[in-house]
Amino acid sequence: GQQVMQIPQYQHVQEGEDFTTYCNSSTTLSNIQWYKQRPGGHPVFLIQLVKSGEVKKQKRLTFQFGEAKKNSSLHITATQTTDVGTYFCAGRSDYKLSFGAGTTVTVRA
Amino acid sequence: GAVVSQHPSWVICKSGTSVKIECRSLDFQATTMFWYRQFPKQSLMLMATSNEGSKATYEQGVEKDKFLINHASLTLSTLTVTSAHPEDSSFYICSATRRRNTEAFFGQGTRLTVV
Repeated sequence: GQQVMQIPQYQHVQEGEDFTTYCNSSTTLSNIQWYKQRPGGHPVFLIQLVKSGEVKKQKRLTFQFGEAKKNSSLHITATQTTDVGTYFCAGRSDYKLSFGAGTTVTVRA
Repeated sequence: GAVVSQHPSWVICKSGTSVKIECRSLDFQATTMFWYRQFPKQSLMLMATSNEGSKATYEQGVEKDKFLINHASLTLSTLTVTSAHPEDSSFYICSATRRRNTEAFFGQGTRLTVV
């Protein structure tokens, strides 16, 4: 079945630094979505990428969808304490939306 | 954004009893609803996908007789954990989409503890 792998599982970042989380699917995806879950909360939708090679930006967050539509990345620049949480990628294939393991981000001031 | 309400937010039940969890889309009609299970500090494991008026599609390894899903209307899906055991204790969370291939809106989740 469809599997979505995400690395790293944990990311401890100095405030102001950049980091990237990567997502890979075992199958070609129709789209990929990114969510953020704060501790104790539920996942909140960030963005959806549909086209091969697509790049989207949201302020300090840059999302990319690979040419083969099997991988994606989220890059955060100048990390802030508000970026704390777990970032999940979710790949859609047919009717299914399968989540990666998530990258839990902690920030040291 | 769209609102998905999940109820109850937490429940404690005795081993052997059944628990029903409701997932409602409050301001949109959800063509598809997903049920996930999340263990502490882990990802969301897709349990099943339900479409209104049809049988749910369960993921491999998920017992359909154990986790009964009913999607009776475009705004309501229910998950019933039957004959619950302590190993069923977990965080269950639902999500709903308006249309195929659009973003999912999540409920607040239900913390189930079976004692």
